[in-house]
Amino acid sequence: DAGVTQSPTHLIKTRGQQVTLRCSPISGHKSVSWYQQVLGQGPQFIFQYYEKEERGRGNFPDRFSARQFPNYSSELNVNALLLGDSALYLCASSRDRGVTEAFFGQGTRLTVV
Amino acid sequence: EDQVTQSPEALRLQEGESSSLNCSYTVSGLRGLFWYRQDPGKGPEFLFTLYSAGEEKEKERLKATLTKKESFLHITAPKPEDSATYLCAVHGGYQKVTFGTGTKLQVIP
Repeated sequence: DAGVTQSPTHLIKTRGQQVTLRCSPISGHKSVSWYQQVLGQGPQFIFQYYEKEERGRGNFPDRFSARQFPNYSSELNVNALLLGDSALYLCASSRDRGVTEAFFGQGTRLTVV
Repeated sequence: EDQVTQSPEALRLQEGESSSLNCSYTVSGLRGLFWYRQDPGKGPEFLFTLYSAGEEKEKERLKATLTKKESFLHITAPKPEDSATYLCAVHGGYQKVTFGTGTKLQVIP
């Protein structure tokens, strides 16, 4: 079975630009969560989507948005990029909405210059 | 606000030297505590979920335990391939998951 896939793997953007990151969950998983991981820190929760609706949101500005599609894949959008947005962006999928084991993708390494 | 503190930040062990990693937490209504392993440049790999105080889970050389304030990840007779960063996370209210900063484990042959 394919695991969680994220694209692209690496990305370089200029300050002020917009970026879209993509995630395909494990087949049969309906929940997708997004995390930001800065070097040397643990992942920080950004969003959870379940059945195409936002079910949880972390402490991130409105520049961050996401959506989930009918096939349960998801996109994370970040507008007006700042240097501080440089990080590894991780997507995790789980079978249900509740407290279940989550499987992470390899992440997208975003560098803002 | 939910908080997770992991200690030590880094741990260096000889192969076969058992030890424990600590995860202290404060959370409003614990719904679950997770342990993950993360290798450099990769996403975290799920290890365990613990739901209530007194619960224990084992997998190969790893054993996770949970109390009302902390969790321990015990590593018995570690091997070099156990070298990684171990992350602890709590699932509190509002579907929010809070991670600690991790313990970087190095096992020397």
